[in-house]
Amino acid sequence: QQQVKQSPQSLIVQKGGISIINCAYENTAFDYFPWYQQFPGKGPALLIAIRPDVSEKKEGRFTISFNKSAKQFSLHIMDSQPGDSATYFCAAGGNDMRFGAGTRLTVKP
Amino acid sequence: NAGVTQTPKFQVLKTGQSMTLQCAQDMNHNSMYWYRQDPGMGLRLIYYSASEGTTDKGEVPNGYNVSRLNKREFSLRLESAAPSQTSVYFCASSARLVGAGEQYFGPGTRLTVT
Repeated sequence: QQQVKQSPQSLIVQKGGISIINCAYENTAFDYFPWYQQFPGKGPALLIAIRPDVSEKKEGRFTISFNKSAKQFSLHIMDSQPGDSATYFCAAGGNDMRFGAGTRLTVKP
Repeated sequence: NAGVTQTPKFQVLKTGQSMTLQCAQDMNHNSMYWYRQDPGMGLRLIYYSASEGTTDKGEVPNGYNVSRLNKREFSLRLESAAPSQTSVYFCASSARLVGAGEQYFGPGTRLTVT
């Protein structure tokens, strides 16, 4: 079964807008929640990550919001740019990571 | 500093053939991982190696074997390829077990089994 559910599958945003991608997990033992960015033909690259002892983490235009009680976390991309167009994966786990199915983001100029 | 390298980049196999996917990292990382990526399913962990000399099964280990040859190299072997193993395979490494740190991914191997 899929232990990390990610939505939406695809997202189209205008340049300058806010992109929001959501994930939900099931296993309360998970203690590490990264987001990865993947461009076509490349391997995923870590974008930002959070641990469950904080509710929010911001790095530049990227913010993770984390709700431990709801077992949900989300990625917000502020001032979205065409160069942000990629597939984004959330993940959750400890030693054994579980990935969401991915969100294809398109930022229109 | 090449990071994580994988060979080959592309491979086509016939059902029943065997092959080994090679992975090497030059970051002196302790932990290494093999994932497969299929459309609509994200990445799924096949095997991982927490440190040199150890390997453990991930989420989808059936049909695969691994060898942690040394600290730098971690190979994935398909003994008898099946069409269900058509996928993109990614190797990754991290300084320590994934829950404690960032994973660095290689460029992937695109495998087709006919």
